[in-house]
Amino acid sequence: KQEVTQIPAALSVPEGENLVLNCSFTDSAIYNLQWFRQDPGKGLTSLLLIQSSQREQTSGRLNASLDKSSGRSTLYIAASQPGDSATYLCASSGGYNKLIFGAGTRLAVHP
Amino acid sequence: EAGVAQSPRYKIIEKRQSVAFWCNPISGHATLYWYQQILGQGPKLLIQFQNNGVVDDSQLPKDRFSAERLKGVDSTLKIQPAKLEDSAVYLCASSLEVYGGSGNTIYFGEGSWLTVV
Repeated sequence: KQEVTQIPAALSVPEGENLVLNCSFTDSAIYNLQWFRQDPGKGLTSLLLIQSSQREQTSGRLNASLDKSSGRSTLYIAASQPGDSATYLCASSGGYNKLIFGAGTRLAVHP
Repeated sequence: EAGVAQSPRYKIIEKRQSVAFWCNPISGHATLYWYQQILGQGPKLLIQFQNNGVVDDSQLPKDRFSAERLKGVDSTLKIQPAKLEDSAVYLCASSLEVYGGSGNTIYFGEGSWLTVV
């Protein structure tokens, strides 16, 4: 049974810092790994999707990497801004787009 | 492009009462998902539809939860009777299709917040 763990559970950083969020999964037989953002009281917004054959994906200041053999993914946020404050969730996908989510990392970026 | 629509946004009910949530996915999306997100946890898949057929309902508590997508478009999730532990956000999501497991972007609605007292 797939289990997804995210570390740290919460993170508070000053504006401008580069930061790394970690995600680990127990079953390496995945189709893809996805990162989502969730703002308070809102649904989830897809940030990056890494196919199992890929090593990383980039979108603006975000870069996500995937290492299937070690069961790890990282989300790198460059030059953090207060608007980045949110909960970041990673999810592994098995067949048929079934997502298994971690509990998320709650990020606060203060001016 | 309109997003995934859900209603009601908030609902407070007493235990043992019933509640129903409605979802309208993005136009043209064949796959519809219902997730349950308890405070402080990641979302958990309850049921997944491909058009009007069920792909996965292995984590749906079938003694009290039911869901339907009769015409392959909008969907209803019902809880009857509700328990205190059903207090959560119920998220509806949709994607284009899932054949081959290649992974399409999944779009989430803003959720229906349920409090059972």
